[in-house]
Amino acid sequence: AQKVTQAQTEISVVEKEDVTLDCVYETRDTTYYLFWYKQPPSGELVFLIRRNSFDEQNEISGRYSWNFQKSTSSFNFTITASQVVDSAVYFCALSEAGGANSKLTFGKGITLSVRP
Amino acid sequence: EADIYQTPRYLVIGTGKKITLECSQTMGHDKMYWYQQDPGMELHLIHYSYGVNSTEKGDLSSESTVSRIRTEHFPLTLESARPSHTSQYLCASAQLRGGSPLHFGNGTRLTVT
Repeated sequence: AQKVTQAQTEISVVEKEDVTLDCVYETRDTTYYLFWYKQPPSGELVFLIRRNSFDEQNEISGRYSWNFQKSTSSFNFTITASQVVDSAVYFCALSEAGGANSKLTFGKGITLSVRP
Repeated sequence: EADIYQTPRYLVIGTGKKITLECSQTMGHDKMYWYQQDPGMELHLIHYSYGVNSTEKGDLSSESTVSRIRTEHFPLTLESARPSHTSQYLCASAQLRGGSPLHFGNGTRLTVT
């Protein structure tokens, strides 16, 4: 069975601080996919990134960066120079590569509050 | 621009009423999902479908039902709403290929009085 753990439940930072959101996963598969989603106060979930288990390269997109480490089963997300607009709930998710029938397992989410 | 639409956005309804939450997508995705999200923010999968005439129950038991008569449409129905059904309901779709990201609608916030 697959599992995603987001141990942090709420994080509050002041604008311009860097913040890292942790994600630890469990799976028996050797092929799988990891995702991060953002849910702003408006309610919709916005897809941010997908990584597959064979690509451990870290990724940077603007102020966002992701650190994927198979050795520790972690896929952490860092926001550099945080802004008020980053305030949202962030979900990490895992999908085993079971083909068309694979399902997505979400973590419980981390509520990030960025204060001006 | 949203390619997956949910209506209504907000719904307040009395106990015992029958309701249908609509979800439509224009991306031609085979896979569609319904998630229930409570104030604690955790997402629970209640229904999913891999294509027309395919429907499966999710990880969280739900009294709701779904249908998939057309690829683009995946409505969720509650025959008799109860206060315990008060929640946010999120619809999502994805390509059939494993590992495809889910695309979510804006959600329907349901309140049963």
